[in-house]
Amino acid sequence: QKEVEQDPGPLSVPEGAIVSLNCTYSNSAFQYFMWYRQYSRKGPELLMYTYSSGNKEDGRFTAQVDKSSKYISLFIRDSQPSDSATYLCASSLIQGAQKLVFGQGTRLTINP
Amino acid sequence: SQTIHQWPATLVQPVGSPLSLECTVEGTSNPNLYWYRQAAGRGLQLLFYSVGIGQISSEVPQNLSASRPQDRQFILSSKKLLLSDSGFYLCAWSWASNYGYTFGSGTRLTIV
Repeated sequence: QKEVEQDPGPLSVPEGAIVSLNCTYSNSAFQYFMWYRQYSRKGPELLMYTYSSGNKEDGRFTAQVDKSSKYISLFIRDSQPSDSATYLCASSLIQGAQKLVFGQGTRLTINP
Repeated sequence: SQTIHQWPATLVQPVGSPLSLECTVEGTSNPNLYWYRQAAGRGLQLLFYSVGIGQISSEVPQNLSASRPQDRQFILSSKKLLLSDSGFYLCAWSWASNYGYTFGSGTRLTIV
């Protein structure tokens, strides 16, 4: 079993829709959770970062962690074509840990 | 501000040839450095990480090696490449006390 599982998609939605991206993880010791966005042929860039359970909002993006169910979510409101990318969730045991464990990534396309 | 440089952007190498990929970080001291590989349709796989000069930890036994000859320089090498070494290689850095990684732009390696 992979430590972080993510549906690879692809996921295609119309512009303006609310997008929900999800991951599950198996290691209950994970404390830090991140979402990265990766455009085609580019390196991933950090999008959102959360610690333990709860929600974090940044503009159109909301990250949500439910440690009781080991579930990580990213919501994108008012989705734009520029949001089309692969989204990777990641988890780690301690802050700045040497080992970030990544999900497979979900490929998202926003259709104008 | 901190920047990370990775080169070359693309590389085509014959089976059995050697490899040297270089990564440098500017604007910070004593960063944690990482090499990841991203195979087509798969997630990010941690290959090596380093917390200081000459300190290398290997995550996956294989025909690749890493070295850190200077504080902000990280090199990925191989003496004889295999077809299975094809992929997208990403260098990343982090502060020990910070969260997440900052990735380089990646090297797309194709073995022929």
